[in-house]
Amino acid sequence: AQSVTQPDIHITVSEGASLELRCNYSYGATPYLFWYVQSPGQGLQLLLKYFSGDTLVQGIKGFEAEFKRSQSSFNLRKPSVHWSDAAEYFCAVGAIGGYIPTFGRGTSLIVHP
Amino acid sequence: NAGVTQTPKFRVLKTGQSMTLLCAQDMNHEYMYWYRQDPGMGLRLIHYSVGEGTTAKGEVPDGYNVSRLKKQNFLLGLESAAPSQTSVYFCASSYGVGNTGELFFGEGSRLTVL
Repeated sequence: AQSVTQPDIHITVSEGASLELRCNYSYGATPYLFWYVQSPGQGLQLLLKYFSGDTLVQGIKGFEAEFKRSQSSFNLRKPSVHWSDAAEYFCAVGAIGGYIPTFGRGTSLIVHP
Repeated sequence: NAGVTQTPKFRVLKTGQSMTLLCAQDMNHEYMYWYRQDPGMGLRLIHYSVGEGTTAKGEVPDGYNVSRLKKQNFLLGLESAAPSQTSVYFCASSYGVGNTGELFFGEGSRLTVL
């Protein structure tokens, strides 16, 4: 069975600092990987996704993520955080032909001015 | 673009009352899902549907029923609401054949059961 672990429940960074949110997955084959963002009071929005090919993927809002098969990780990064990035971030894993993605429990990002 | 629309967005119920949450999508998606989100618990799948007329149980189905009479609509019903069902409910949809697990979410429905 597939699973996703987001080790950090909360992350606090200063505005302008770099950011890395961790995601580890368990899956028997090559997974499809996703990062979603949830702003306060909103639904989840897709930030980026990895299906195959280049292991460094670019997303919206200046985010990127790197797929590392050897570490079973798909960490989300941003070089300079803006106050508007404060939100909940969810990592998820899916599979071709599958229709039930597995979500991590989320990481809450707090941005200090 | 409407995408996935949930109604109502807010609702307060008394214990024992019933209600229905409506989810509508205009993307011709085959699959639809209902999740609940609670603090510290992430997203938990309640029920899902892989096509018109089909439904299946997810991780936390007890106390809920669903129906998918039309492809574009997925209804979530609470027959006898309990305080434990106080939560934020999200509907999502995704493509059918070739689906990769990417979901499109509604904005959520906040339900309080007193």
